[in-house]
Amino acid sequence: IAGITQAPTSQILAAGRRMTLRCTQDMRHNAMYWYRQDLGLGLRLIHYSNTAGTTGKGEVPDGYSVSRANTDDFPLTLASAVPSQTSVYFCASSAGLHKGEKLFFGSGTQLSVL
Amino acid sequence: KQEVTQIPAALSVPEGENLVLNCSFTDSAIYNLQWFRQDPGKGLTSLLLIQSSQREQTSGRLNASLDKSSGRSTLYIAASQPGDSATYLCAVRPQGGSEKLVFGKGTKLTVNP
Repeated sequence: IAGITQAPTSQILAAGRRMTLRCTQDMRHNAMYWYRQDLGLGLRLIHYSNTAGTTGKGEVPDGYSVSRANTDDFPLTLASAVPSQTSVYFCASSAGLHKGEKLFFGSGTQLSVL
Repeated sequence: KQEVTQIPAALSVPEGENLVLNCSFTDSAIYNLQWFRQDPGKGLTSLLLIQSSQREQTSGRLNASLDKSSGRSTLYIAASQPGDSATYLCAVRPQGGSEKLVFGKGTKLTVNP
């Protein structure tokens, strides 16, 4: 089934540890995004990529890094996790701004940093 | 800075009722507006996307309208069902060359049998 796959679905992590959240899409979409969703704050963009090889910062990029080595994969790395990074993380993709750009979301990763 | 507001934050209706969800945005310079549905513990599913040149989009029992000049969109759900219970979010794509959506915080809808 076409779509976006995120892994893991949930994770408990000790503060200070490094963690990579994985995201893969099979729709050949150019644009990919990472959001975090927190109660009362809604969805906030962390990083995005317009196309393979390029990335950009969103609203809340501090403490996170991304890479886009190919079209399909867009991993999000927390170099040294802190409790304020406890959240639900969603990866999303779209064909791009000038191609209709309906946004497709993965099922999310629930991350708890203790 | 573009801001998107959804009021009310929560809505409870009896099954069969027609209902309207509201979305307002502060800057009319947008490329498009999307309505999403989110079920508990799940990701968002795009329901309808309205381009800035369009006035409305329909899919089944759902109809979304866009009044760009007044900064408003509505999502109309006809003959609501318990399976429509979810959180509905709207998001706009501001003009300005950025690949970023601005989301509202959503309206949590409960349809009671």
